[in-house]
Parts: sequence; C-alpha cells; structure tokens
Amino acid sequence: KQEVTQIPAALSVPEGENLVLNCSFTDSAIYNLQWFRQDPGKGLTSLLLIQSSQREQTSGRLNASLDKSSGRSTLYIAASQPGDSATYLCAVRRTGGGNKLTFGTGTQLKVEL
Amino acid sequence: DAGVIQSPRHEVTEMGQEVTLRCKPISGHDYLFWYRQTMMRGLELLIYFNNNVPIDDSGMPEDRFSAKMPNASFSTLKIQPSEPRDSAVYFCASSGAYRDTEAFFGQGTRLTVV
Repeated sequence: KQEVTQIPAALSVPEGENLVLNCSFTDSAIYNLQWFRQDPGKGLTSLLLIQSSQREQTSGRLNASLDKSSGRSTLYIAASQPGDSATYLCAVRRTGGGNKLTFGTGTQLKVEL
Repeated sequence: DAGVIQSPRHEVTEMGQEVTLRCKPISGHDYLFWYRQTMMRGLELLIYFNNNVPIDDSGMPEDRFSAKMPNASFSTLKIQPSEPRDSAVYFCASSGAYRDTEAFFGQGTRLTVV
C-alpha cells in the first residue's frame, strides 16, 4: 500500500526566505506526482505535475523535483511571500494503480511579515 | 470553463437524514473523483469514475454511501442514513483522459451531521 508522508507538518518562516517542502512515498513505482496548495476553507489548487520520467518542473517561484528511486519529491519556494501561506499537499499516482491519487499529510506553511 | 462545481457548499443535517452532494466536472474530463477530508485522516479517495463507470469504490466506507454518475456532466454522492462521524469536507475532482493530466478540485462541501 502506498503511503505518502510530508515533513515538516508545519513551518513558519519570515518573508523573503527560500524554503523547501518535503514529500516521501513508500512505493517508487509511480506514474507521476502532483503538488497542490489548499487555502483555509477552500479547495485544492494544482501547482505542478511532475511525470516519473522528469527530474524537475518549474512554475514561477516554484520548483518541484522528483527522485523516484529514493521515493522523494521536494517543492522549492523562492523568495516566500505572505500570500504563500497555505497548506501544501503532494499526491502520487501509482503505476498500475489506475488513475487515483494518494495524498500526503500536508505541510502547513506560514510566511510572516 | 468554470472549473469543478460542487453543491451545496455547506450542509448541516440531523443524524439519520439522507444527504446528497452534487458535482459537475470540467467539461471534457473523463475521470471524476470523490474525496473526503478530515483532520484525523487527511484526504481519502472514496470512489472514482471513468467515462461515467465506477472504477474503484474500495474507499467507500460503508453501504450507507453510494455514488452515481448518470452522465458526463453530473455526479452525486449520497449518504443514507447520515451519522455524526460522516462530518467532513467532501471534494469532487476531475481530470482528463490520460493519467499524465492534472486533477482539478472543486471547492468542497462541508458536511456537518448533528
């Protein structure tokens, strides 16, 4: 059974810092991995989708990396802003697991002025 | 496209009552997913459909839960009878024909069973 873990569970940083969020998965046979953000009381917003054949994916200040063999992905946020405050979730789509996403536990990020 | 649309946004009901949650996926998407989110268990997949056909319902907690997708633009998740432990946020999501496409989520329905 695929298990997805995100560390840390919560993170507080001052504005302007570069930061890294971690995502680990137990079964390396994945098809792709998707990063989402969730604002309080809201739905999930897709940030990046990284295929198993890719090492990195970038969108603006966000960069996601994937090391499938070691079961890890990181989300790098450059020059953090208060508007980045949210919960960040990673989810994996397992090879042979149909089209379902298995979600991590999330990292709650707070960027302070 | 307006994105994935769920209704209602909030639902408060008494234990034992029937609850129906509704979802309109993004037009042209072939997959539709129902997830439940709680503080204790995080996001859990309940069921998903491909071209209106249920593919995997192994996450549906009990027979009290049922889901239908009568056509490509509409799905329902029904709980009958509802119990306080069903209180959670229920999300609907949809994605395109291939597994390498992103999943897009609705705003969710916050269900409270008292």
